[in-house]
Amino acid sequence: EAQVTQNPRYLITVTGKKLTVTCSQNMNHEYMSWYRQDPGLGLRQIYYSMNVEVTDKGDVPEGYKVSRKEKRNFPLILESPSPNQTSLYFCASSLTINYGYTFGSGTRLTVV
Amino acid sequence: QQPVQSPQAVILREGEDAVINCSSSKALYSVHWYRQKHGEAPVFLMILLKGGEQMRHEKISASFNEKKQQSSLYLTASQLSYSGTYFCGTHTDKLIFGTGTRLQVFP
Repeated sequence: EAQVTQNPRYLITVTGKKLTVTCSQNMNHEYMSWYRQDPGLGLRQIYYSMNVEVTDKGDVPEGYKVSRKEKRNFPLILESPSPNQTSLYFCASSLTINYGYTFGSGTRLTVV
Repeated sequence: QQPVQSPQAVILREGEDAVINCSSSKALYSVHWYRQKHGEAPVFLMILLKGGEQMRHEKISASFNEKKQQSSLYLTASQLSYSGTYFCGTHTDKLIFGTGTRLQVFP
């Protein structure tokens, strides 16, 4: 089944403890992206990648890192999480920018 | 900047029509539309490309006015299953989403 897989679905962590949210797609998509969703603010882009080893900042990149070493994987790294990074995170992928996105199921992160 | 969606919320009875608008301050390459049901991930509905035709997904259609940098989503004869939050995404050099329009359809 064609899908975008995110893990974990839920995560509670403490301030400053490094964490990684994984994202993997099995559709050979070139374009991958991370968004965070907060009430009233919609989906805001954190980082995106147009292909392997090519990444760029979205609108809210501060406090996040990404890497794209393989086409299928696009992990999101929070080196030192803070409470303002408590949010619902979505990974998404598409064949190219002119195709619709397929979203992962989301990761609900709470930083205390 | 995020595209602006209007209205922020719509309440409908089954069978009624609705229009959701999306406008951007930047020139657009394309416009995407997604629907998100409560507790779920957004689901792609359609994409409108520059110079392309009006698109349709079931009884939902959309238009794209490149000169005005605007798109509209038309929901015809709404069904209960149409309830959810609708997001437009505007593509310039990256895909930016609006803040969403919450649509509720009642029997």
